[in-house]
Amino acid sequence: NAGVTQTPKFRVLKTGQSMTLLCAQDMNHEYMYWYRQDPGMGLRLIHYSVGEGTTAKGEVPDGYNVSRLKKQNFLLGLESAAPSQTSVYFCASSSGWGTEAFFGQGTRLTVV
Amino acid sequence: SQQGEEDPQALSIQEGENATMNCSYKTSINNLQWYRQNSGRGLVHLILIRSNEREKHSGRLRVTLDTSKKSSSLLITASRAADTASYFCATGFNAGGTSYGKLTFGQGTILTVHP
Repeated sequence: NAGVTQTPKFRVLKTGQSMTLLCAQDMNHEYMYWYRQDPGMGLRLIHYSVGEGTTAKGEVPDGYNVSRLKKQNFLLGLESAAPSQTSVYFCASSSGWGTEAFFGQGTRLTVV
Repeated sequence: SQQGEEDPQALSIQEGENATMNCSYKTSINNLQWYRQNSGRGLVHLILIRSNEREKHSGRLRVTLDTSKKSSSLLITASRAADTASYFCATGFNAGGTSYGKLTFGQGTILTVHP
């Protein structure tokens, strides 16, 4: 059972480039989340989804877009990367409200 | 701003001692969870406490919740070097409304347990 898988694990982008981070879960979870983690800032919620076809903004959504076309996948897009988006990105999923979340291993993104 | 705030930001203790971390939050919640993160890894769920519970135990972990003070504490008893990690609280929101399904984290406490 793979759990939550993030692709890629590392990436270096140039300012202005675009990319998509993929999160896939095989636990049939309804809820999925994207967070970014910066030193001293903890985890900040970017966007989340409570079901296939739904998305909602978190605490720091600017500069990111998401899609949940399939229940098992949650995509995070950066249309025009900026150095401020250099961070470690974590995806998580849970079976529903009030249940534990399972995390992927993270994607380390550097924007130069 | 983030919902939860942990205190202290860093804690350094000797093996065998107890470690206590606190979490304060701002708005009403339905549940509070604690997670652990080893360096460079994803977070792992430790324990969940619901708003109608005051205390919960799991092995060497004890969590308390005081909804009147909007605070929670995580106690790790008889700590081990392997407990060295960052610990985060996460708050889950009421069903319904614009925050439905949200799960937000605090800044974390870095725990170092010296052998």
